[in-house]
Amino acid sequence: DIQMTQTPSSMPASLGERVTISCRASQGISNYLNWYQQKPDGTIKPLIYYTSNLQSGVPSRFSGSGSGTDYSLTISSLEPEDFAMYYCQQYDSSPDTFGAGTKLELK
Amino acid sequence: EVQLQESGPGLVKPSQSLSLTCSVTGYSITSNYWGWIRKFPGNKMEWMGYISYSGSTSYNPSLKSRISITRDTSKNQFFLQLNSVTTEDTATYYCARCDDNPYWYFDFWGPGTMVTVSS
Repeated sequence: DIQMTQTPSSMPASLGERVTISCRASQGISNYLNWYQQKPDGTIKPLIYYTSNLQSGVPSRFSGSGSGTDYSLTISSLEPEDFAMYYCQQYDSSPDTFGAGTKLELK
Repeated sequence: EVQLQESGPGLVKPSQSLSLTCSVTGYSITSNYWGWIRKFPGNKMEWMGYISYSGSTSYNPSLKSRISITRDTSKNQFFLQLNSVTTEDTATYYCARCDDNPYWYFDFWGPGTMVTVSS
């Protein structure tokens, strides 16, 4: 299985701050990388698919980039509703695997 | 809009089977792919498997001997059965639709249902 190393595991941040979350795959995944947000109530929604495509309805302050083994999710200016868990998911090779998650916390 | 809702027992005894239902509204399960994903205490997430629009299935090899995903198209529901559960199967279980045209990602999720394995 492809291992996804997601960093940091937690990140204290302030409103308006720019933050970046990273995922490194154990082998190249050809941009087959998605990002999800999980809110404190448990609901999960997609943010970014295929590395850099913004899901419909997701604010433009979210962006994704990367190639090869290294990928990142950036939030340009944190809003109150952005404090949540974030996960990357690779689907280059079955089984799909997820990163361990990043908890974005209010500083 | 596509909506998914998981249902099933919240408590299962070790060695028994875990059975969950995902009820889908707003979209037919005879299109797309429909998956189960679980999140363990401690936040690790695991893709368990899916059933396709045609009824074919794919499972995570880590579960292959214990898992079965089936469906009832007349009720627009699909099901998860996980056999011989242990305490390590305690998790929140999510069902989700997978968009595969042309990109593969889970675009609609249920709210999740917590399952505890305990005697």
